[in-house]
Amino acid sequence: QQQVKQSPQSLIVQKGGISIINCAYENTAFDYFPWYQQFPGKGPALLIAIRPDVSEKKEGRFTISFNKSAKQFSLHIMDSQPGDSATYFCAASITQGAQKLVFGQGTRLTINP
Amino acid sequence: DAGITQSPRHKVTETGTPVTLRCHQTENHRYMYWYRQDPGHGLRLIHYSYGVKDTDKGEVSDGYSVSRSKTEDFLLTLESATSSQTSVYFCAIKETSGSYEQYFGPGTRLTVT
Repeated sequence: QQQVKQSPQSLIVQKGGISIINCAYENTAFDYFPWYQQFPGKGPALLIAIRPDVSEKKEGRFTISFNKSAKQFSLHIMDSQPGDSATYFCAASITQGAQKLVFGQGTRLTINP
Repeated sequence: DAGITQSPRHKVTETGTPVTLRCHQTENHRYMYWYRQDPGHGLRLIHYSYGVKDTDKGEVSDGYSVSRSKTEDFLLTLESATSSQTSVYFCAIKETSGSYEQYFGPGTRLTVT
């Protein structure tokens, strides 16, 4: 049972362009939505996260857009750089208790110079 | 790395042998988690701990057991390794209170032949 669906599986963007990765979730009890960035051979690193009380959160070139009614959220990377080339994972959890993260399948992003 | 180390970093073992992976943290965080990462599945929760001797199952717990006898160490054991347990295993921690953020260790790549 895949509770968080992520698309696309892979994405190629030109340097300076906008990278967009989408996620959809099923469990309406989820109330915390982080994005992780992972480089080869490394562990996932928390990039940015959002709670459902806001529709957008921006940190530098990274923005999360959140649509509660559609049960969807997305990551936008503005002015994409070759150093952004990595695998990105969305996730969701319920903040009460142990906060078990449910991950999307991942998106391999390549930024062409 | 949020003070998280995993050992070993790489291991090759034969089907049917027992294997123990160790996660060590230096910050006395209450919550610790074990995830496995496989292509097309993102990361999936195996087991988690919410205190010394307090553990519970995650999404993919069959064939795995865990123990936490000290706050700083969380052990994952494969009692009898199978080829389907070939994966990359990540440990994560969550700060005790006031934060929803989970931080991941560097991972252990396990190959079962």
